[in-house]
Amino acid sequence: DVKVTQSSRYLVKRTGEKVFLECVQDMDHENMFWYRQDPGLGLRLIYFSYDVKMKEKGDIPEGYSVSREKKERFSLILESASTNQTSMYLCASSWGDRAYEQYFGPGTRLTVT
Amino acid sequence: GNSVTQMEGPVTLSEEAFLTINCTYTATGYPSLFWYVQYPGEGLQLLLKATKADDKGSNKGFEATYRKETTSFHLEKGSVQVSDSAVYFCALSNTGFQKLVFGTGTRLLVSP
Repeated sequence: DVKVTQSSRYLVKRTGEKVFLECVQDMDHENMFWYRQDPGLGLRLIYFSYDVKMKEKGDIPEGYSVSREKKERFSLILESASTNQTSMYLCASSWGDRAYEQYFGPGTRLTVT
Repeated sequence: GNSVTQMEGPVTLSEEAFLTINCTYTATGYPSLFWYVQYPGEGLQLLLKATKADDKGSNKGFEATYRKETTSFHLEKGSVQVSDSAVYFCALSNTGFQKLVFGTGTRLLVSP
């Protein structure tokens, strides 16, 4: 079974802190994605990566950056956390030719106070 | 642009009832359509898909038919179980890289 793991299920940070969310997949997938999930808004794509060291902006990249130094790991970085970044963050991965068939981690619920 | 509209939830049903969750889309060209499901405390997982008009996707008793004339992809199940309680997301993919565009999700609650 494909396994996508996220470093924390729950995280509480203060405004202005630098926050790292880590995601690891064990299926040698080329593509990796970061979404945020908010009530009434569904899932919105923040960033994605289709190869090591490659990254592309999604629909809402402002206030976020990403890092992919190894194929299995994709990190989301909040340079200076703000309260409007309180959300559920979901990581996903997929094979190169089937980007639509994404495998999701359980999510990290981040609260910024 | 591309977008997906789902019915508001929650949808509350008794066990063995018939389920319909409506989904309509706006897209240029010929998108592929998907239903994902999120069980409590878990990540999303692909439930079924349809890649061209009139295709029917099916899995675990759920079905959805790609209707180009009505731009719809409604999810149906003949007899729901308590274990089907989850949030259901309709999604489309319409770019070269096949990024997904998700609807807002519909929560289904099934009582015994």
